[in-house]
Amino acid sequence: EVRLVQSGAEVKKPGESLNISCRGSGYLFTNYWIAWVRQRPGEGLEWMGLIYPTDSDTRYSPSFQGQVTMSVDESTRTAYLHLSRLKASDTATYYCARFSGSPGVLSWFDPWGQGTLVTVSS
Amino acid sequence: QSVLTQPPSVSAAPEQNVTISCSGRNFNFAKIYVSWYQQFPGTAPRLIIYDNDKRPLRIPDRFSGSRSATSATLGITGLQTGDEATYYCETWDFSLRSVIFGGGTKVTVL
Repeated sequence: EVRLVQSGAEVKKPGESLNISCRGSGYLFTNYWIAWVRQRPGEGLEWMGLIYPTDSDTRYSPSFQGQVTMSVDESTRTAYLHLSRLKASDTATYYCARFSGSPGVLSWFDPWGQGTLVTVSS
Repeated sequence: QSVLTQPPSVSAAPEQNVTISCSGRNFNFAKIYVSWYQQFPGTAPRLIIYDNDKRPLRIPDRFSGSRSATSATLGITGLQTGDEATYYCETWDFSLRSVIFGGGTKVTVL
């Protein structure tokens, strides 16, 4: 079974940083891009970017460029999303998902991780 | 700024059929690829249609995808209470070099 398992919920104060992890299993991890998607409470889905495990090639959404950092550890089959200088507006559920298709042409995301709820509050 | 537009909500009685549209002024839907996702409250989205009209094996054939030059459409036939969820369309925006999602459509079974 192809699975993505994310790290647990986090509560942070404004200005702090955190890493969210996403570990893949059941498939050849290096063959697929990993995507990150944000969903604020009660809102829709926002694509943040992609990272390719083989060479860490990244494609950031213009909306998130410079705001987040994606990385990957091929040896542990784990992708990371780094959020820094957190604000209350970063409160959201963050999902990782396996990307299929071809960046810039064809895209779909399957499966998705279970999501990581990040709460930023003083 | 490209936007994918979906109706905020649709509703129908059990066993009825519903369609959800996904449109966007800057897109020629005859030339792009659209995927659809189903999301239940408090859970992660799930892929139900990819490449416009293809279904993952686990998705029942009550779900279908289609497109015209101006929009993509998700169809659900024989609506069931278990279909109550929010549905999102998604595509790659070449000009923005970005994946974009529609705003989501909440399906209610009356």
